[in-house]
Amino acid sequence: DTGVSQNPRHKITKRGQNVTFRCDPISEHNRLYWYRQTLGQGPEFLTYFQNEAQLEKSRLLSDRFSAERPKGSFSTLEIQRTEQGDSAMYLCASSQTGVDYEQYFGPGTRLTVT
Amino acid sequence: EDKVVQSPLSLVVHEGDTVTLNCSYEVTNFRSLLWYKQEKKAPTFLFMLTSSGIEKKSGRLSSILDKKELFSILNITATQTGDSAIYLCAVGSRRAGGTSYGKLTFGQGTILTVHP
Repeated sequence: DTGVSQNPRHKITKRGQNVTFRCDPISEHNRLYWYRQTLGQGPEFLTYFQNEAQLEKSRLLSDRFSAERPKGSFSTLEIQRTEQGDSAMYLCASSQTGVDYEQYFGPGTRLTVT
Repeated sequence: EDKVVQSPLSLVVHEGDTVTLNCSYEVTNFRSLLWYKQEKKAPTFLFMLTSSGIEKKSGRLSSILDKKELFSILNITATQTGDSAIYLCAVGSRRAGGTSYGKLTFGQGTILTVHP
């Protein structure tokens, strides 16, 4: 399968715990995006990388959130001290430079904070 | 702030019907409009439109963009139960200063239900 992959697919955690999600983009795509989607809403942009550089962060990304893409391939999104309001689907997408807006999404990680 | 509004929010039809989904937008530095289909998982790319008045077509689905009036429509003809999904409209905008960076702003989606 050469699509975008994300792990884990589901994560249940207790409030206050830290969680980390991983995204593996399509191999030839150098741009990688993170979005968050809550029930009944469209995805909301969180951040994006071009290769290993994080070029934009939404104000939705509080200081409890951090994302990395250390070698320009896979990316991780960490949430520290999780809150119930963090419960959502976290989606990763990737694209090629030049067709930036044609983004292909992974299956997502559904986070439930209890 | 960029804004994308879809209508209707939900739609129930029977197989064989034709449906039209609407998407209007207000964005700074518009670059492209995209349609995605989402079925209990990640959004699946359908179309990307960048030029006004050009119709994109794939089988029973087609879409057109009006950059003057700031809207797009997605048409589905001869609907099937497999078309039941959430249809998301997203707009790509360029950061102030001209650097394209690929941020998509999504509408909240139209829930389409097709009954046999």
